[in-house]
Amino acid sequence: GAVVSQHPSRVICKSGTSVKIECRSLDFQATTMFWYRQFPKQSLMLMATSNEGSKATYEQGVEKDKFLINHASLTLSTLTVTSAHPEDSSFYICSAPGLRYNEQFFGPGTRLTVL
Amino acid sequence: GESVGLHLPTLSVQEGDNSIINCAYSNSASDYFIWYKQESGKGPQFIIDIRSNMDKRQGQRVTVLLNKTVKHLSLQIAATQPGDSAVYFCAENAGGYQKVTFGTGTKLQVIP
Repeated sequence: GAVVSQHPSRVICKSGTSVKIECRSLDFQATTMFWYRQFPKQSLMLMATSNEGSKATYEQGVEKDKFLINHASLTLSTLTVTSAHPEDSSFYICSAPGLRYNEQFFGPGTRLTVL
Repeated sequence: GESVGLHLPTLSVQEGDNSIINCAYSNSASDYFIWYKQESGKGPQFIIDIRSNMDKRQGQRVTVLLNKTVKHLSLQIAATQPGDSAVYFCAENAGGYQKVTFGTGTKLQVIP
């Protein structure tokens, strides 16, 4: 089956620094990828839709200057959390659509902790 | 509105018993529903899906029931096993390309 990977799996950073998270589709191409954020014991919240070759589409309330998304190729999307603060600490998950109707493959997630 | 929860309901089930996890969805325009399983520290894993023109769909040990009248979805797991312990999310799609909204999760604890 299709595999989506994320790197790093865990990252700890100091407040004020920027962190980049990579999402890769390993054996298929994805012109679209999705980024979610999940706080402990809560559901997944869609942050943005990453589009290869064009700008990302952000959900209401998500700051695009804070969460920079770059869909550099058909297999790679990156999320950069700029000037991270403790409230940005969360579990970030990406997904990529498959060929079947509404099929999505999720990455394993990245745990971000901002000190 | 979005069906995002601020807490995580827990369902405890004896190993071998059947589990029923419920979900109330919010958008009457949703035409596709999915159940995902999420183990601790991992991304969601697809379990089963159903389109709005159906009211029941069966998979291996799992059954999804859809009641559009009351906007209710349920996941039934037969002969629950310890490996089924996880958080289960329902998700709905209202027509946006691959864009789904996740519901409040339910934590399933299987008692050996």
